[in-house]
Amino acid sequence: GAGVSQTPSNKVTEKGKYVELRCDPISGHTALYWYRQSLGQGPEFLIYFQGTGAADDSGLPNDRFFAVRPEGSVSTLKIQRTERGDSAVYLCASSHGQGEGGYTFGSGTRLTVV
Amino acid sequence: QKEVEQDPGPLSVPEGAIVSLNCTYSNSAFQYFMWYRQYSRKGPELLMYTYSSGNKEDGRFTAQVDKSSKYISLFIRDSQPSDSATYLCAMNTGNQFYFGTGTSLTVIP
Repeated sequence: GAGVSQTPSNKVTEKGKYVELRCDPISGHTALYWYRQSLGQGPEFLIYFQGTGAADDSGLPNDRFFAVRPEGSVSTLKIQRTERGDSAVYLCASSHGQGEGGYTFGSGTRLTVV
Repeated sequence: QKEVEQDPGPLSVPEGAIVSLNCTYSNSAFQYFMWYRQYSRKGPELLMYTYSSGNKEDGRFTAQVDKSSKYISLFIRDSQPSDSATYLCAMNTGNQFYFGTGTSLTVIP
């Protein structure tokens, strides 16, 4: 597609529930990144995919967070047993190579855990 | 200490003013430096990208990197109301980008 597409744009869920956030990167971009942005803060790195594999998942806060990219294109970020502290905007970005020229971000999924 | 420090503002200037936005950082390994613009409820949009020290100009925007001082700047000339947004600096050595908290800018007509 022309840009990075994220769905849903907004998600409200109850504490303890499971959620999935989807990212459709720019066609041909091999690198895909997930970031989390809390109110008034800059984005914080979660995980980086090069192709199908997670090349760096050091930013995932705990084992409730998991992400996949099975065919090297669309990625899904999965959060189990959601907590109120998980509320944030989850941003996906994609790039050629390793992102030396900067990323293209999607508009994000605003997750609210009530 | 955070990897990247950025004054959150808010910054308010009249239309036509020159705007100066700045970030400092602590990791001397950072090689790539970027400025992103983020409108409300939108993802960050890449404005400027530079590698190593020096200046880069693109239209009304100029990015400066001083690696010896670990200091980067973004200058906006002839600022317009449409420039009102949050400006985020970012830098990386490889896979991870480290972002500042963003500076909120309002350009008043």
